[in-house]
Amino acid sequence: GAGVSQSPRYKVAKRGQDVALRCDPISGHVSLFWYQQALGQGPEFLTYFQNEAQLDKSGLPSDRFFAERPEGSVSTLKIQRTQQEDSAVYLCASSFDRDEQYFGPGTRLTVT
Amino acid sequence: KNEVEQSPQNLTAQEGEFITINCSYSVGISALHWLQQHPGGGIVSLFMLSSGKKKHGRLIATINIQEKHSSLHITASHPRDSAVYICAVITGTASKLTFGTGTRLQVTL
Repeated sequence: GAGVSQSPRYKVAKRGQDVALRCDPISGHVSLFWYQQALGQGPEFLTYFQNEAQLDKSGLPSDRFFAERPEGSVSTLKIQRTQQEDSAVYLCASSFDRDEQYFGPGTRLTVT
Repeated sequence: KNEVEQSPQNLTAQEGEFITINCSYSVGISALHWLQQHPGGGIVSLFMLSSGKKKHGRLIATINIQEKHSSLHITASHPRDSAVYICAVITGTASKLTFGTGTRLQVTL
């Protein structure tokens, strides 16, 4: 498909486990964003890549969160030692430079 | 106080009604998005605008940069318009979005 895809769509992790969430942006999109959406809330910015460079990671809530985009395409958001407060939907969006952002379906993470 | 405020938080309308959702922001922006999110679904961008007005089908978005205010209008509303509508602004050079908390719209027959 031509849209942004994310996997897995749903992830249940036990507290303390590490998780990795994947985002496949639209081909050719330079910019990639990760957002976190807690239940009943609006999304909040986590981090931003331009190609392979992580230009802004000011929204990452702790050093347990790590994101990478090594070849400037696929990105992975990793959460180490998950906590219950990490339960949320993690959204990925991509755009061509500073144009309109296209969102993926999100990964719903539940930490038990 | 949030940088992006939306009103109303919840809105119920009957099919066919004209709907307005408002967004006010307190920071300088380069552009504003209106987004739609269906329950359990992903987010779809409806509009990105930095001035004036845009129209797509039954949806109209306006922005007043001086007043730091934007509105999303839905004409001839339909039950399939039921969703959460989110206003988000782009600030700074990184193009990251700052989101409002959303307006939950329910359109009934």
